Amino acid sequence: GNSVTQMEGPVTLSEEAFLTINCTYTATGYPSLFWYVQYPGEGLQLLLKATKADDKGSNKGFEATYRKETTSFHLEKGSVQVSDSAVYFCALSDRSSASKIIFGSGTRLSIRP
Amino acid sequence: AAGVIQSPRHLIKEKRETATLKCYPIPRHDTVYWYQQGPGQDPQFLISFYEKMQSDKGSIPDRFSAQQFSDYHSELNMSSLELGDSALYFCASSLAGGETQYFGPGTRLLVL
Repeated sequence: GNSVTQMEGPVTLSEEAFLTINCTYTATGYPSLFWYVQYPGEGLQLLLKATKADDKGSNKGFEATYRKETTSFHLEKGSVQVSDSAVYFCALSDRSSASKIIFGSGTRLSIRP
Repeated sequence: AAGVIQSPRHLIKEKRETATLKCYPIPRHDTVYWYQQGPGQDPQFLISFYEKMQSDKGSIPDRFSAQQFSDYHSELNMSSLELGDSALYFCASSLAGGETQYFGPGTRLLVL
């Protein structure tokens, strides 16, 4: 079945450091890929998405590229801020309609001032 | 822009009680999904509805039931609550055929 594996946390970085959170997936067909972010005490927010191979999703300085050949969707940001501290979930959904989202286990990111 | 609305935001119940969680999707969204997120865990899919019909079912206990109404809002009914039901319950909505789901703020349920 479909699954998502992402980098174990917690990840602690200094402000302005470069961020990479690895994510790989297993899926039949061609899923859509997502990164969701959950700030402390809040709900899930869609951060970015990509719907086909070689698509790059980007938002708020974060980027991720849909790599079919390596089945990966790594999240990157060139210079993190304290306000980026949150839990990040990599996720996929089957292209068929009304399809559930399958989440990775989440990576907790803490940024030191 | 309007978002997914969930009520209540917090709920405290005793074991063996019942609870009803409500979800109001983004206007014009006709598909609703329910997820359960235990402490420190990733969200797990429970059930979804499209045009008032159940479209998919995940790891939803038999003690739980859900439905979608003609105005597309949905309710998750939980009976014989157990301590292990304490979790954050998310509702998400999407347009039919759309792969992007937008999540509500969640209902935090605590069972004592």
